[in-house]
Amino acid sequence: QQPVQSPQAVILREGEDAVINCSSSKALYSVHWYRQKHGEAPVFLMILLKGGEQKGHEKISASFNEKKQQSSLYLTASQLSYSGTYFCGTSTSGTYKYIFGTGTRLKVLA
Amino acid sequence: KAGVTQTPRYLIKTRGQQVTLSCSPISGHRSVSWYQQTPGQGLQFLFEYFSETQRNKGNFPGRFSGRQFSNSRSEMNVSTLELGDSALYLCASSPGSGNEKLFFGSGTQLSVL
Repeated sequence: QQPVQSPQAVILREGEDAVINCSSSKALYSVHWYRQKHGEAPVFLMILLKGGEQKGHEKISASFNEKKQQSSLYLTASQLSYSGTYFCGTSTSGTYKYIFGTGTRLKVLA
Repeated sequence: KAGVTQTPRYLIKTRGQQVTLSCSPISGHRSVSWYQQTPGQGLQFLFEYFSETQRNKGNFPGRFSGRQFSNSRSEMNVSTLELGDSALYLCASSPGSGNEKLFFGSGTQLSVL
């Protein structure tokens, strides 16, 4: 029941774009995205709710396809600070628990 | 506003012992969740407490237990430690009304020898 993230790892050069996908076998109500740098706590990026719109900032955005039970995180014009492990967390309707994927390790090189 | 505080930061125990980890949530947050993080497994959900009641539980054996106090602080206990329990244990707090962002602590790194 753990969501599947792909790719497992990605290496980019500064300025390149990346897409991280998160798929679940269950009907989802919400998807969270977090980034964790080595030795630090995961930090919240954004929440997408069922029926909501695509969210994000100028360079980091995400979408949620309810029918496919998938979410994608888009990193545009990557910066060195984007390096870390990205986790998606999913919840189903009526629950207060968030099940996280195994993570995607992203490294941005100068 | 102070963040989520977990103590201790590091623990070394031997097989068969038990351990108690502590988590102090952000002031005003009533929900505390616990996760086990190991390389390759990501964040595995242990349980979630809200207003001193366990509201959700993951698929961990009964050796893993928790509780929450009236001030929302939470403790997690692992009895009869096994080598496989070595992991980073993270707690996260939120207001508790659902579908809200989680604030994570820096975790307790547990090593079982």
